[in-house]
Amino acid sequence: DAGVTQSPTHLIKTRGQQVTLRCSPKSGHDTVSWYQQALGQGPQFIFQYYEEEERQRGNFPDRFSGHQFPNYSSELNVNALLLGDSALYLCASSPPDTLGTEAFFGQGTRLTVV
Amino acid sequence: RKEVEQDPGPFNVPEGATVAFNCTYSNSASQSFFWYRQDCRKEPKLLMSVYSSGNEDGRFTAQLNRASQYISLLIRDSKLSDSATYLCVVNIYRGDNQFYFGTGTSLTVIP
Repeated sequence: DAGVTQSPTHLIKTRGQQVTLRCSPKSGHDTVSWYQQALGQGPQFIFQYYEEEERQRGNFPDRFSGHQFPNYSSELNVNALLLGDSALYLCASSPPDTLGTEAFFGQGTRLTVV
Repeated sequence: RKEVEQDPGPFNVPEGATVAFNCTYSNSASQSFFWYRQDCRKEPKLLMSVYSSGNEDGRFTAQLNRASQYISLLIRDSKLSDSATYLCVVNIYRGDNQFYFGTGTSLTVIP
């Protein structure tokens, strides 16, 4: 059973460009959340997708957008990249709403903006 | 105020030492609690869930104090392989699971 998979693993972009990151959740999971982890910080919640809709959103600008597909996979899009967007982007999936469940993380995409 | 606060450390301890990490959370609606371990440049992985009655897994003991909104992790007989960042995580369930992370506490176990 594959866990959460993310692609690409590493990415270098230029300031002002746009980037798309991808995530496939763990089998049986229907909820996908995205996190940004800057160096030396804990993961910060960006947004969560469920049934192809954004259900919750953290304190991130509209430059950050996402999508969830019918097979539950998800994309994170960031427009007009800033140097400060350089971080590890983590995708986490969880099963259908169950109190107390843990989050399962992918290996992350390390984005560097130059 | 942050949802979850942790002492970032770093904690540098000798092998065999006992070390304790503490974490506080601000939202009394928090319902599930976890400690995750994150190795350098890797994704966080669940170390253990934290229950009100306290729970133990080998050398690791987790405690939850709901009245004080406080979570702890105790590592006994530290091993070199315990060197990592330990993240305190709370889940506020409002019909869906939303996880809030502390900044993490860095531990280095020294030979």
